[in-house]
Amino acid sequence: GAVVSQHPSRVICKSGTSVKIECRSLDFQATTMFWYRQFPKQSLMLMATSNEGSKATYEQGVEKDKFLINHASLTLSTLTVTSAHPEDSSFYICSARGVQANYGYTFGSGTRLTVV
Amino acid sequence: AQRVTQPEKLLSVFKGAPVELKCNYSYSGSPELFWYVQYSRQRLQLLLRHISRESIKGFTADLNKGETSFHLKKPFAQEEDSAMYYCALSGQGAQKLVFGQGTRLTINP
Repeated sequence: GAVVSQHPSRVICKSGTSVKIECRSLDFQATTMFWYRQFPKQSLMLMATSNEGSKATYEQGVEKDKFLINHASLTLSTLTVTSAHPEDSSFYICSARGVQANYGYTFGSGTRLTVV
Repeated sequence: AQRVTQPEKLLSVFKGAPVELKCNYSYSGSPELFWYVQYSRQRLQLLLRHISRESIKGFTADLNKGETSFHLKKPFAQEEDSAMYYCALSGQGAQKLVFGQGTRLTINP
């Protein structure tokens, strides 16, 4: 079945530094990848949609300069949290949808970001 | 705009009792609806898609376009069903998947 690998699973960084999170589709080509943020005991909030080779589409209220998304290939998308602050601490989850619609949406295991 | 509402944040039932997790949606076109489950410390897993009309782990869900609902049901709850359940909607073209607030289901022995 479709598998999405997300790395790292946990990261701690200092305020002001940048952190990159990778999302890879291992056994299928993902034309579209999605990035979500999940606060404790809350649902997944869609941050942005990225299509391979084009600019990401950000949801309202999400700062595109703070959360840089790159989707350079059909199997890899990255989310870079720039100049991180403690309020950026959260659980970030990626999802990928394959070229064929019947692949559905497959989720990564998530990244716990803690900014100190 | 796409919107998914799960009115119950918490739901607790006894083992062997029927379970129904409610989901209502708002979308002007033809939606694609999903139920995802998240067990403790695990990633989100697809439970059901309305287009496949499958029954997974005894759960079923029927899309009711008149009531704009996609409620999840199981006739006899089991303890291993305790988890967080999310209803999600994908619209035509945009493809993005939007989630409801989630319902934490607890099955009591």
